[in-house]
Amino acid sequence: GESVGLHLPTLSVQEGDNSIINCAYSNSASDYFIWYKQESGKGPQFIIDIRSNMDKRQGQRVTVLLNKTVKHLSLQIAATQPGDSAVYFCAEKHGYNKLIFGAGTRLAVHP
Amino acid sequence: GAVVSQHPSRVICKSGTSVKIECRSLDFQATTMFWYRQFPKQSLMLMATSNEGSKATYEQGVEKDKFLINHASLTLSTLTVTSAHPEDSSFYICSARGTGAFANTEAFFGQGTRLTVV
Repeated sequence: GESVGLHLPTLSVQEGDNSIINCAYSNSASDYFIWYKQESGKGPQFIIDIRSNMDKRQGQRVTVLLNKTVKHLSLQIAATQPGDSAVYFCAEKHGYNKLIFGAGTRLAVHP
Repeated sequence: GAVVSQHPSRVICKSGTSVKIECRSLDFQATTMFWYRQFPKQSLMLMATSNEGSKATYEQGVEKDKFLINHASLTLSTLTVTSAHPEDSSFYICSARGTGAFANTEAFFGQGTRLTVV
């Protein structure tokens, strides 16, 4: 069936470096994508979203890139901080259908 | 910003008993609520979609008689795990969607409920 997956299960970065978390999706009809951050024992926290009519969107220290040609989504975090340590999920949606979550990537930020 | 609150955050129950989890939208009316289950080190899996005043729609493989969902008001949905067993131990998370500015379901998740069945 359709799925959203991530290339890297764990990403370790040095504090202050930039982080890039990748995600591949398989449903070419998906038109809305979201990145979430989930800290241990908590619910997902919305980070940033992007619609399929865009290829880039920027927030505070975060940027999401969408490449529809290869069905790839990435989250870039600038100047990664210890507080960014968490599991990051991408999710996709087609129209009014349900949200489908990817497998998740753990980001570990080292001092 | 909009807040979705779950209660309790943690619950331990004996095998065979039932447990109710509440999901509340605190500053908007939630026309639709979603219930997810998340096992350790895994992703979120949608269990059911609940629309206010109507029966919930369950995902394939989710037993509707075991996971009872009630969405009787625009600010409250409940998930009752009936006759709980150890394999039901999991992290249960809800999200809520309203109208207008709160129509974006994806932004509003509860903090989750850790259920442990012993």
